[in-house]
Amino acid sequence: GENVEQHPSTLSVQEGDSAVIKCTYSDSASNYFPWYKQELGKRPQLIIDIRSNVGEKKDQRIAVTLNKTAKHFSLHITETQPEDSAVYFCAASMRYGGSQGNLIFGKGTKLSVKP
Amino acid sequence: DSGVTQTPKHLITATGQRVTLRCSPRSGDLSVYWYQQSLDQGLQFLIQYYNGEERAKGNILERFSAQQFPDLHSELNLSSLELGDSALYFCASSLRQEDYEQYFGPGTRLTVT
Repeated sequence: GENVEQHPSTLSVQEGDSAVIKCTYSDSASNYFPWYKQELGKRPQLIIDIRSNVGEKKDQRIAVTLNKTAKHFSLHITETQPEDSAVYFCAASMRYGGSQGNLIFGKGTKLSVKP
Repeated sequence: DSGVTQTPKHLITATGQRVTLRCSPRSGDLSVYWYQQSLDQGLQFLIQYYNGEERAKGNILERFSAQQFPDLHSELNLSSLELGDSALYFCASSLRQEDYEQYFGPGTRLTVT
């Protein structure tokens, strides 16, 4: 089955700096890669996603890149702000039988942005 | 607010007991997914239902079962509870059959004492 590894497990940056979180996946059939942000005690919130037919996607200060050959994808946050502090999870899934499959999550990265 | 609702928010029960967690997906969503989040195991997929039928199973224990009803809400049943079952249980739903995105509910925090 699919396995997703995520690095680093913790990341501390100064406000205004950039943050990069990296994930690798094992199953080449995976075709959808979302990123979730989870604040303490709250639900995971989808912040950006990318499909396997796209190499990069941007949404304001966040971007995701995908390298299908190397089977890795990354989250980039620019101009970080204290409210970006949270745990970020990457995930991978594949589509089958006409519907999207379950998500396999990485272990998470705790991002701390220091003012 | 994702539009996915879960009840109850918190549940405290004793070992050996049985509980039922409920999830209502976003209006029109056909797929419901259940995930367990614990400190040591992270976010783990348990089971998926699509339009009332079981679609996929993950690391779900035999003591756990689920179903999706005709109105598309889903219930996760946990029995013979153990201390290690204490966790956050999330359900998620997909917007439409052809969509990829999954939106999570607020979760049910289960504490087994």
